[in-house]
Amino acid sequence: AQSVAQPEDQVNVAEGNPLTVKCTYSVSGNPYLFWYVQYPNRGLQFLLKYITGDNLVKGSYGFEAEFNKSQTSFHLKKPSALVSDSALYFCAVRDPGFQKLVFGTGTRLLVSP
Amino acid sequence: DAGVIQSPRHEVTEMGQEVTLRCKPISGHDYLFWYRQTMMRGLELLIYFNNNVPIDDSGMPEDRFSAKMPNASFSTLKIQPSEPRDSAVYFCASSRDYNEQFFGPGTRLTVL
Repeated sequence: AQSVAQPEDQVNVAEGNPLTVKCTYSVSGNPYLFWYVQYPNRGLQFLLKYITGDNLVKGSYGFEAEFNKSQTSFHLKKPSALVSDSALYFCAVRDPGFQKLVFGTGTRLLVSP
Repeated sequence: DAGVIQSPRHEVTEMGQEVTLRCKPISGHDYLFWYRQTMMRGLELLIYFNNNVPIDDSGMPEDRFSAKMPNASFSTLKIQPSEPRDSAVYFCASSRDYNEQFFGPGTRLTVL
């Protein structure tokens, strides 16, 4: 069965510093991987996805993620954090053999001024 | 496009009452998903449809929950009778190819 783990409940970073939000996954086949962001009282918004191709994927708002097959990871990164990046971030995985996404438990990112 | 539309945005009801949540997906999207989000359990997939047909309802908690999609532009999630433990935020999402999903703003349900 497919699964995804986000080992950190919260990540704190100062504005202007680089940020990383961690995600590891487990699927039986080649994974389809996603990051979503949720702002307070809003639905989830798609940030980026990895289906195939280049292991470094660029997405919205300056975010990027690196697919690492050997470590079964798909960490979300941004070179310089903004206070407005503070939100809840979800990693999700889909096994190509199945049609539904499995979401992680979410990581709260707090960027301090 | 206006995005995924959900109504109502907030619902407060008493235990035992019937609750109906509504969703209008993005036009042209063939997949529709219903999720529930709580602090304790996170984001849970309840059911999803493809071309108006329910494909997987294994996440529906119990028989009190039912979902329908009578046409491509409308879906409902019904809870009858409602219980306090059903209190949560319910999201509807749609997608063209079950990869990138577009979420609605959610319905915050409180059952007293």
